[in-house]
Amino acid sequence: KAGVTQTPRYLIKTRGQQVTLSCSPISGHRSVSWYQQTPGQGLQFLFEYFSETQRNKGNFPGRFSGRQFSNSRSEMNVSTLELGDSALYLCASSLQATNEKLFFGSGTQLSVL
Amino acid sequence: KQEVTQIPAALSVPEGENLVLNCSFTDSAIYNLQWFRQDPGKGLTSLLLIQSSQREQTSGRLNASLDKSSGRSTLYIAASQPGDSATYLCAVMDSNYQLIWGAGTKLIIKP
Repeated sequence: KAGVTQTPRYLIKTRGQQVTLSCSPISGHRSVSWYQQTPGQGLQFLFEYFSETQRNKGNFPGRFSGRQFSNSRSEMNVSTLELGDSALYLCASSLQATNEKLFFGSGTQLSVL
Repeated sequence: KQEVTQIPAALSVPEGENLVLNCSFTDSAIYNLQWFRQDPGKGLTSLLLIQSSQREQTSGRLNASLDKSSGRSTLYIAASQPGDSATYLCAVMDSNYQLIWGAGTKLIIKP
């Protein structure tokens, strides 16, 4: 059974650009959640999608958005990138809800120059 | 506002020792508490999930306890091995169904 796949693995962007990250959950998993990890702030919850609907959202500005497709694959988008957006972005999937065991991808390392 | 603290921030012990990692949280209104490990350059691996109604969970050499009233959890690792070296993260699911994370304990097991 394939695990959670995140692409790309590494990304370098410049300030002001936008970026789209992709996450393919484990087959059969319908909940996908996203997290940002930085050395200063640690891990923080971004948002969670279930059945193509955003079910929960963390305390991030509107520049951070996401969506989920009918096959449960999810994308997150960050517009007007800032230096502080440099981070490891992790996605996790679970069967139905985030209060179940989570399976994480290896993450996308985003560097904003 | 829920806050999660992990002590110590780093720990280095010889192989074979039993050890305890600590996690504390400020608000007892949680749905569950989870322990994860993170290896360099990799994502997170779920180790144990304790629902709010449970007191402990065990998996192999790992045992995690939860005391909601005191806002504490401990992860006990028996007979530590070099392969246990990693960063261990504690997270609580708060009343808004959001995971609030501790900063982690970096564990090094010396052969």
